[in-house]
Amino acid sequence: AQSVTQLGSHVSVSEGALVLLRCNYSSSVPPYLFWYVQYPNQGLQLLLKYTSAATLVKGINGFEAEFKKSETSFHLTKPSAHMSDAAEYFCAVSWLSGGYQKVTFGTGTKLQVIP
Amino acid sequence: DGGITQSPKYLFRKEGQNVTLSCEQNLNHDAMYWYRQDPGQGLRLIYYSQIVNDFQKGDIAEGYSVSREKKESFPLTVTSAQKNPTAFYLCASSISANYGYTFGSGTRLTVV
Repeated sequence: AQSVTQLGSHVSVSEGALVLLRCNYSSSVPPYLFWYVQYPNQGLQLLLKYTSAATLVKGINGFEAEFKKSETSFHLTKPSAHMSDAAEYFCAVSWLSGGYQKVTFGTGTKLQVIP
Repeated sequence: DGGITQSPKYLFRKEGQNVTLSCEQNLNHDAMYWYRQDPGQGLRLIYYSQIVNDFQKGDIAEGYSVSREKKESFPLTVTSAQKNPTAFYLCASSISANYGYTFGSGTRLTVV
């Protein structure tokens, strides 16, 4: 099975500062990678996805992520944090197993934005 | 607008009761999924269905059951065999897992 590791269960940044949320995956084959955002008591919303077309992926709300195969990483960044970015973020990997497409989620990183 | 509707938003279960969580989608997606979310544990897959009248167990299927009689609907029953059912339950659908999921807004189940 593939796995995803998100470093840091909680991250705090000041408003206007760079946001960097880390995600590393284990995969012996090219994976599909995703970042989702979850606001309190809501479902998850897809931020962006990597499907091998380009290593730098741009998503919604000004977020982007870079796929680095050599580092098996897919870190999420945003140049300037906004108060509305406070939420929990999940990295996920999708791969083929037994004829079915499987998805594994990381344990999440809660982002706090300090005014 | 297309989307996924989960109901109810909050649900309370007494010991020994079965309860059913509803999930309906109008996205015309073939695949549907049920996840359980507990604090600090991310999302864990309960059941998934790739097509009508077919479903597969996920990683934590014990104490749960599902049906997929219609493309639009994928209800989850939490049976009395599930000893620790208090959690946030999320339903999702997709064209294919490689495209990413669309999630519902969740049902919070509490045992009273």
